[in-house]
Amino acid sequence: DTGVSQDPRHKITKRGQNVTFRCDPISEHNRLYWYRQTLGQGPEFLTYFQNEAQLEKSRLLSDRFSAERPKGSFSTLEIQRTEQGDSAMYLCASTRGAGNYNEQFFGPGTRLTVL
Amino acid sequence: GENVEQHPSTLSVQEGDSAVIKCTYSDSASNYFPWYKQELGKGPQLIIDIRSNVGEKKDQRIAVTLNKTAKHFSLHITETQPEDSAVYFCAASIPGGGADGLTFGKGTHLIIQP
Repeated sequence: DTGVSQDPRHKITKRGQNVTFRCDPISEHNRLYWYRQTLGQGPEFLTYFQNEAQLEKSRLLSDRFSAERPKGSFSTLEIQRTEQGDSAMYLCASTRGAGNYNEQFFGPGTRLTVL
Repeated sequence: GENVEQHPSTLSVQEGDSAVIKCTYSDSASNYFPWYKQELGKGPQLIIDIRSNVGEKKDQRIAVTLNKTAKHFSLHITETQPEDSAVYFCAASIPGGGADGLTFGKGTHLIIQP
């Protein structure tokens, strides 16, 4: 257990529904990242936050994807009008400080299945 | 953008033997190269990392080497044990543009045969 938690662990939804995932980072970590991992692939970087500011969102997969971190603590990732191609593991990671020399601690992920 | 290639996709070794996984990256501005281990149903866990100003780093049975000129880096595991069986990912930092994430390889499924 890295100290990063994600909820729910599994989500099954029907195509066209909206889903929201939550990530709670390690408490003193001010940077939070979202990744998507499809079967047989490595994690794919989506977006990240420095405290409550979203500093990179150009890599979000489409305008159906959005993320928030309103108080600089937990974060949510929302997917609107889900499609079968959205089925994947969604991973959250956190790190302390700025710069990419700091270890990113990953949560266990939320596995999304879109029927 | 950054592209990371990882080989092999599957590696089977006898317990006690060494395992080597290799990665190449495309953007010479990348400056941080971590390796992650992922077990079934869990998120990736960092096992070792190296910065671009260092050529080699070792931690007990695990070592990583970096060749900046050739843009490749490798993971070496010696005296492999059954608990080393997992999927291993290399990654490289995404340079520039304010992005601070990682680009991952596709992973290597390491199987330790008893």
